[in-house]
Amino acid sequence: DGGITQSPKYLFRKEGQNVTLSCEQNLNHDAMYWYRQDPGQGLRLIYYSQIVNDFQKGDIAEGYSVSREKKESFPLTVTSAQKNPTAFYLCASRGSNRGNQPQHFGDGTRLSIL
Amino acid sequence: AQKVTQAQTEISVVEKEDVTLDCVYETRDTTYYLFWYKQPPSGELVFLIRRNSFDEQNEISGRYSWNFQKSTSSFNFTITASQVVDSAVYFCALTQHGSGNTGKLIFGQGTTLQVKP
Repeated sequence: DGGITQSPKYLFRKEGQNVTLSCEQNLNHDAMYWYRQDPGQGLRLIYYSQIVNDFQKGDIAEGYSVSREKKESFPLTVTSAQKNPTAFYLCASRGSNRGNQPQHFGDGTRLSIL
Repeated sequence: AQKVTQAQTEISVVEKEDVTLDCVYETRDTTYYLFWYKQPPSGELVFLIRRNSFDEQNEISGRYSWNFQKSTSSFNFTITASQVVDSAVYFCALTQHGSGNTGKLIFGQGTTLQVKP
């Protein structure tokens, strides 16, 4: 079945450590997105990519980095510079560049501090 | 400024009751799109509906219906005869100003719906 796979489901980070969250899609979608979700809040955009080898900062990019070397993959690295990384992270993709196309989401990764 | 407000943080109903989730938005764009997503306990967001700013027709899909009113900048979602499986967090979202074809969205804070048996 086509979809978006995020791994791991749960991740723990130690102080000063970088961790990478995986996002893979087999929907042949061009655009991919990373969101952060905190309790009682909506989703906030971290980074997005519309084509391979290109990506842009979202609203809360500080302390995060991404790469887009393959169409199907958009990993997110939470660096040690992100002082409050505990959150639920969601990856999404979108097939068309038309503004009305919905985004499709993965199951998310829950990141916690050890 | 652009904003999406879901004033109801949590709603609790008993099965078979009807429930309406409110969504009010602010935008200066003349062309925009609104979305509703459902987030069950498993975590992924499930797309429910998309509406563009030129189409004010209400829509019904089974037990779900949506009321889009441009005059009051609202896009409310009603579940008729609610069921326990409807328990989830529901998000309303708006295409971000100047997003062009990037698909960037502004999300409301979400409404947690609990349907009790």
